[in-house]
Amino acid sequence: GAVVSQHPSRVICKSGTSVKIECRSLDFQATTMFWYRQFPKKSLMLMATSNEGSKATYEQGVEKDKFLINHASLTLSTLTVTSAHPEDSSFYICSAGRTGGDSNQPQHFGDGTRLSIL
Amino acid sequence: AQSVSQHNHHVILSEAASLELGCNYSYGGTVNLFWYVQYPGQHLQLLLKYFSGDPLVKGIKGFEAEFIKSKFSFNLRKPSVQWSDTAEYFCAVNAGAAGNKLTFGGGTRVLVKP
Repeated sequence: GAVVSQHPSRVICKSGTSVKIECRSLDFQATTMFWYRQFPKKSLMLMATSNEGSKATYEQGVEKDKFLINHASLTLSTLTVTSAHPEDSSFYICSAGRTGGDSNQPQHFGDGTRLSIL
Repeated sequence: AQSVSQHNHHVILSEAASLELGCNYSYGGTVNLFWYVQYPGQHLQLLLKYFSGDPLVKGIKGFEAEFIKSKFSFNLRKPSVQWSDTAEYFCAVNAGAAGNKLTFGGGTRVLVKP
């Protein structure tokens, strides 16, 4: 079945550091990937839609200069948390669906990245 | 904007008991509906989905869900749970015009006691 790989699974770093998270679709192409954030004991909140070869679309309230998204190929999207602060600590999850298929295709989720900013 | 609400935040039940988790959404147009499950320490997995056709959808692991359009609901059911069903369950909605992005409900933590 389709697999989405997310790396790293866990990051602990100092305040002010920039952190890059990768999301790869391993056996299918994805022109669109999604980045979600999950707060403790809360649901997933969509942060942005990553579009291959073009700018990401950010949800209301998400700072695009803070959360940089690059989708350079059909199998890779990256999320960079710039100058991270403790309030950015969270669980970040990406998802992807097959390109060219029915727009109703379900999303496949990565394992998530737990980011802890000290 | 669309929204999804799950009525129960926590459910505790014994093995062999029946399970029903409520999910309601607010969106007037055509929607696609999903239930995802997240087992402890694992990623989200699709349990079942509804796009069109028979409103009673059967998924993996003995789960089913019923789409009731008039009630804007998509409740998840399992007649007899097992200890391994302990997990967090998320209802999600994708409105046709929104592409593939999902709006999730708040999730329901289910604990099945052996």
